[in-house]
Amino acid sequence: AQTVTQSQPEMSVQEAETVTLSCTYDTSESNYYLFWYKQPPSRQMILVIRQEAYKQQNATENRFSVNFQKAAKSFSLKISDSQLGDTAMYFCAFGSAAGSYQLTFGKGTKLSVIP
Amino acid sequence: SQTIHQWPATLVQPVGSPLSLECTVEGTSNPNLYWYRQAAGRGLQLLFYSVGIGQISSEVPQNLSASRPQDRQFILSSKKLLLSDSGFYLCVLRVIGTDTQYFGPGTRLTVL
Repeated sequence: AQTVTQSQPEMSVQEAETVTLSCTYDTSESNYYLFWYKQPPSRQMILVIRQEAYKQQNATENRFSVNFQKAAKSFSLKISDSQLGDTAMYFCAFGSAAGSYQLTFGKGTKLSVIP
Repeated sequence: SQTIHQWPATLVQPVGSPLSLECTVEGTSNPNLYWYRQAAGRGLQLLFYSVGIGQISSEVPQNLSASRPQDRQFILSSKKLLLSDSGFYLCVLRVIGTDTQYFGPGTRLTVL
């Protein structure tokens, strides 16, 4: 079974600054995917970024980027130029690449962007 | 693009009452569908998944059940609700051939 750990229950960042959210995981699978989801107060889960485990290049989506360290089983999310709309819960998720393709989530990090 | 509908959006039910939550999807055929529950302090937990009509796999033993009567319809049910069933229920879609899962707007269930 997979486990996902987010060690930072809460974080805050000043508007326009950069913040990094940590995530580590444990698995015996060799082929998998990793995701960061954002859940704003509306509670709609929104996909922020995804990474295939077989790719060494770190994924980037506009102001969001990841630092994927496969050997260390680490998958951190960097948010640059933080905006007020980035205030949300952020969940790191492990996705199996076989079987049910189920997602295993961390417990989340509550990010507050301060004006 | 695919769209996920869930209803009701909010529900308050007494202990011991039945439950039926519905999820319908648009914009795709033969998707994988999932029910996740988000409960306070316990993160998101996979309850059921379905790869096709009438095919349901349960991940967690409990008093809930799921059914998929049509390709784009997924239903979560209970005959008798428990206090511990309170939470935010999310219907999730995976398009076949892709790895990404998309979340519906959710149903907030409070059992009193």
